[in-house]
Formats: sequence, C-alpha cells, structure tokens
Amino acid sequence: DAGVTQSPTHLIKTRGQQVTLRCSPKSGHDTVSWYQQALGQGPQFIFQYYEEEERQRGNFPDRFSGHQFPNYSSELNVNALLLGDSALYLCASSLDSGTGTDTQYFGPGTRLTVL
Amino acid sequence: GDSVTQMEGPVTLSEEAFLTINCTYTATGYPSLFWYVQYPGEGLQLLLKATKADDKGSNKGFEATYRKETTSFHLEKGSVQVSDSAVYFCALSANYGQNFVFGPGTRLSVLP
Repeated sequence: DAGVTQSPTHLIKTRGQQVTLRCSPKSGHDTVSWYQQALGQGPQFIFQYYEEEERQRGNFPDRFSGHQFPNYSSELNVNALLLGDSALYLCASSLDSGTGTDTQYFGPGTRLTVL
Repeated sequence: GDSVTQMEGPVTLSEEAFLTINCTYTATGYPSLFWYVQYPGEGLQLLLKATKADDKGSNKGFEATYRKETTSFHLEKGSVQVSDSAVYFCALSANYGQNFVFGPGTRLSVLP
C-alpha cells in the first residue's frame, strides 16, 4: 500500500518565478492538505482540498493556489516567488468520514529553495 | 484561534532515561490530539493520537493521555533509545479535521 508521495523532492527557483508541486494521496484517501514548514518550525496549514474544491484555507496570500484532480491527487502552485517562500512543503492525505476528516498521513515533502 | 504550545528544546538525554515532552493546547470544542515525529530529512510520521478526554494513545513505548481539565497531552517514554532522536510535534485537529494546528516542535537527542 503506497503512502503519500510528493514530487519533486528538491527544487531551486529564483525570485519572481512560479512553481508547481505535486502530491498523490495514500490509497483510499480523498482529502489532501498542504503545509509549509520553515526551517526549525512546525508545519503551517496552507489549504485543504476535498471533492476537487478548496474547503479551508490558512493565512496564506493568493499567490498560493491549488488544485485537486478526480483521482484525488493534488497540486500546489506558488506564483511570484519570494525568498521567504523557501521551505519544506508537506502534503498530507486523509479520509473524510462524513463528519469530517481525522488522522492525516504525511508525504516526505518537497524542499523548495528560492534564490 | 486554536494553538499548541510545546516545551522548548533541544532535549538531550542519555540512553534508557525517562522522557517527558510537555504539550498544552487552546481550542474551541473538543479537538483530537496527536503526536507526530520527524526524523532528519523526512516528512512527519504519526506516532500516536487520542480523540477524546482521558483517552491514552500509545505506540512504540510512547504514551500520551488527553487531559481536558489541564488542556494537556504530554508525551512520555520510560526508556529512550538513540534511535528515538528526532523532532516531536504535538498537534490538534479541530473543526472536524479540516485543518491541523502544530506546535513548534521539540528536538530530542539521545546519547549512547
């Protein structure tokens, strides 16, 4: 049973560029959440996708956008990159039980460096 | 808003020592509580969880009890090993799991 997978593992971009990160959820999961983890800090919630729609969003600007596909995989897009966007981006998947989701399972992350 | 506070690290222990990492939370309603562990260069792994007051989560010798009266979820292990060296994150899930709130993490180093 494959866990959560993310690609690429590492990425280097320059300021002002755009980036797309990808995530495939754990088999049987239908909900994908994205987190930003700066060095030495805990993950910060970016947004969550369920049924191909953004269900909830954290305190991140509109430069951060996402998408969920019919197979439940997801993309995170960041436009107009800033130096401060350098971080580990984590994807987590979970199963919506009808009364909400619970345990989230995390992928290994994508390390983004903005120069 | 919801928040999680953890004891600041780093925590350095000798092998076979007793471990406690304190975690307290602030949340509306009745959140689920989690401990995740992050080994160097890896993503987060679920260590244990508790979904209601007085529940005890346990895994790999680690335990934590959901204390509603003190809004705490302290992580304990009776005898740590070098392989337990990692960063430990306390987290809560409110609003029916629509987002997780993480603490800042506590780095544990276990020396042989």
